[in-house]
Amino acid sequence: GQNIDQPTEMTATEGAIVQINCTYQTSGFNGLFWYQQHAGEAPTFLSYNVLDGLEEKGRFSSFLSRSKGYSYLLLKELQMKDSASYLCAVRWDTDKLIFGTGTRLQVFP
Amino acid sequence: DTGVSQDPRHKITKRGQNVTFRCDPISEHNRLYWYRQTLGQGPEFLTYFQNEAQLEKSRLLSDRFSAERPKGSFSTLEIQRTEQGDSAMYLCATELPGGEGETQYFGPGTRLLVL
Repeated sequence: GQNIDQPTEMTATEGAIVQINCTYQTSGFNGLFWYQQHAGEAPTFLSYNVLDGLEEKGRFSSFLSRSKGYSYLLLKELQMKDSASYLCAVRWDTDKLIFGTGTRLQVFP
Repeated sequence: DTGVSQDPRHKITKRGQNVTFRCDPISEHNRLYWYRQTLGQGPEFLTYFQNEAQLEKSRLLSDRFSAERPKGSFSTLEIQRTEQGDSAMYLCATELPGGEGETQYFGPGTRLLVL
């Protein structure tokens, strides 16, 4: 099946660094996306990885290892507004995205 | 604001009624996707279009669901004879093939409550 695993919940402190992991089935892999979703709102695009390595965008970075079926989203200098769900989504051999259940991150002062 | 709009934003209906949702994509995006999301879950794929052609439908999409994109621009999703289990957020996403990663951009969603 096309399973995506990510932790259900994480907590962190304002100003800290947090890493959210995502694992997926490697067969037919064709790209991985991270989205942020605040409660009651639509997902917003954060990052895209298709090749191995690290993509950095300001306070957010995303890493991919294709051979291991593994990605992580790294959030630095956490702010209260970063409290949200973070969705890992994978494109396999078709155009549609398959989403994980999301990791709910709570940032405390 | 991604430029994808959805209408209505909220809909409350009684079981057995029909409802229709509309999605207006970013103008140059020729792929349009519908997803459904329930509380605590990620979005689940329902169907998608490339221009006016419906290319794939999920097994989640029962006979009560139909989607159209008649002129390759806006799309509608209709649910007939609604059931309480249809209560969810219905999300539309659009994509420009060949863009960065062919990223999908989501509209604000339509939250449906079936009583």
